[in-house]
Amino acid sequence: KQEVTQIPAALSVPEGENLVLNCSFTDSAIYNLQWFRQDPGKGLTSLLLIQSSQREQTSGRLNASLDKSSGRSTLYIAASQPGDSATYLCAVQRAGSEKLVFGKGTKLTVNP
Amino acid sequence: SQTIHQWPATLVQPVGSPLSLECTVEGTSNPNLYWYRQAAGRGLQLLFYSVGIGQISSEVPQNLSASRPQDRQFILSSKKLLLSDSGFYLCAWSVRGSDSPLHFGNGTRLTVT
Repeated sequence: KQEVTQIPAALSVPEGENLVLNCSFTDSAIYNLQWFRQDPGKGLTSLLLIQSSQREQTSGRLNASLDKSSGRSTLYIAASQPGDSATYLCAVQRAGSEKLVFGKGTKLTVNP
Repeated sequence: SQTIHQWPATLVQPVGSPLSLECTVEGTSNPNLYWYRQAAGRGLQLLFYSVGIGQISSEVPQNLSASRPQDRQFILSSKKLLLSDSGFYLCAWSVRGSDSPLHFGNGTRLTVT
């Protein structure tokens, strides 16, 4: 059974700092890994999708990496801003499945 | 462009009452459709998913059911709500059979009293 873990559960940083969020998964037979952002009381917004054959994806100040063999992914946020404050979730889609398994998320607070 | 609509945004229902939450997707055809529940401290739990009209897969035995009467419509129902059904319900869609991201609606906050 695929399990996804995100550490830390919460993170508080000053504005301007670069930061890394971690995601690990137990079954390396994945189709893709996705990172999402969730603001309080809202749905999830897709940030990045990394296919199993890829090592990383970039969008603006965000960079996500994938090491399938070790079951790890990181989301790097450069020059953090207060508007980046949200909960970040990662999810993996198992090969041959239409379903995603989610981690519990990391709650990020960027202080002005 | 594709959009997903989910309603209502909030709902307060007494124990034992019925439930119907609706989700519709615009701008795409043959999507995969999903219902998730998010409870405090428990993360996102997949409840149901559908790869086509009338095709429903249930992930968790529970007091809920789902139906897909049309290609882009997904309904979550219950005949009698329990207190434990309280939570944040999220509908989502993705392009079937491809490496595409999951897109979520804005969710329904359900409180069972």
